[in-house]
Amino acid sequence: EIVLTQSPGTLSLSPGERATLSCRASQSVDSTYLAWYQQKPGQAPSLLIYGASSRATGIPDRFSGSGSGTEFTLTISRLEPEDFAVYYCQQYGRSPLFTFGQGARVEIK
Amino acid sequence: QITLKESGPTLVKPTQTLTLTCTFSGFSLSTGGVGVGWIRQPPGKALEWLALIYWDDDKRYSPSLKSRLTITKDTSKNQVVLTMTNMGPVDTATYYCAHSDILSGYYMGHWGQGMLITVSS
Repeated sequence: EIVLTQSPGTLSLSPGERATLSCRASQSVDSTYLAWYQQKPGQAPSLLIYGASSRATGIPDRFSGSGSGTEFTLTISRLEPEDFAVYYCQQYGRSPLFTFGQGARVEIK
Repeated sequence: QITLKESGPTLVKPTQTLTLTCTFSGFSLSTGGVGVGWIRQPPGKALEWLALIYWDDDKRYSPSLKSRLTITKDTSKNQVVLTMTNMGPVDTATYYCAHSDILSGYYMGHWGQGMLITVSS
């Protein structure tokens, strides 16, 4: 069973700073099957990145995804106030069909 | 515009069976590649995928919960139903349904608002 481990668990940054979030898989993941979501308090998750590096519709270009194999990264180039949230990576395909990481919180410093 | 909405009881007793309905619009579950899945999130915790049903009635379940879950679809009503047996306090969570289309990508592109289910006597 594949496990996704996100780090750091919490990132404390100021608006305008760069955020780098990591997602490590216990087995190799085809980058086609790696996605990132953003979740704000009281809301459902929303898709940010799919295929490891493709932005979903309407997602600003300050969000970018990269990586391959077992190491994937979500980068927010310049944090805006609305970006402070929890971020989840997700893989598709290996058992279980969908797996989410444990989440990483980006909080205001 | 794709929308999904969960419905069902907000409170269930331990050992009872939970039945949740996802009612959707903006797509058809008879279209090739389309699926509807269920994900839950205990308060303050991470997302956990539960089950997914595809357009061709292929059903997939979380291995850890497979014995307790059943997912079905009613294409004519645009609904997907999830049942979970033998509910316990650890099953208290917000339950989401979500749309997936493997012809576009391998992710949940649209989510319902979620529904908090509390398990308590």
